[in-house]
Amino acid sequence: GQQLNQSPQSMFIQEGEDVSMNCTSSSIFNTWLWYKQDPGEGPVLLIALYKAGELTSNGRLTAQFGITRKDSFLNISASIPSDVGIYFCAGQDAGKSTFGDGTTLTVKP
Amino acid sequence: KAGVTQTPRYLIKTRGQQVTLSCSPISGHRSVSWYQQTPGQGLQFLFEYFSETQRNKGNFPGRFSGRQFSNSRSEMNVSTLELGDSALYLCASSNTNSPLHFGNGTRLTVT
Repeated sequence: GQQLNQSPQSMFIQEGEDVSMNCTSSSIFNTWLWYKQDPGEGPVLLIALYKAGELTSNGRLTAQFGITRKDSFLNISASIPSDVGIYFCAGQDAGKSTFGDGTTLTVKP
Repeated sequence: KAGVTQTPRYLIKTRGQQVTLSCSPISGHRSVSWYQQTPGQGLQFLFEYFSETQRNKGNFPGRFSGRQFSNSRSEMNVSTLELGDSALYLCASSNTNSPLHFGNGTRLTVT
């Protein structure tokens, strides 16, 4: 079946630093999604990308849908303590969603 | 608009018992998907229901089952619980080809 490789698995950064994480797949997806999960809660949708090459921002977050439709990245600029959590990418095709294993972000004040 | 609601939030069961978890989707969403989340395994897809029919299924044993009602509410059932079934069970609803919206999950502990 389809699999996503999400990296890095974890990141420890200083408050104020920028963060970058990415997902790659051997399969093509029509939609790429990025979610954030806080402890004890379900994942919350951050950004949805629908077209190859699309670059979309949501505040300090920026995500891109790769030209090949097999990858996507998420950047967080000027990180703050509340950015801590697990970030998941997901590829969606024909109504089915496949998730990466997540990137755990820790921000040191 | 109310979000996805899952009940109960926490559950403790004994090996061999069975359990039923409930999910109420966002109003108007007809698709409900279930995922199992464990620390080492990420989000594992269980199944998806649409208009009371199972549309997609993951690679879980037959002990895991689900159903959807005419109002789109869904339940999942796990029979003959094993210790390894301890996990956070997440429900997500969506419309066709739209992003999944998750509930806060049910934390199941099997002792």
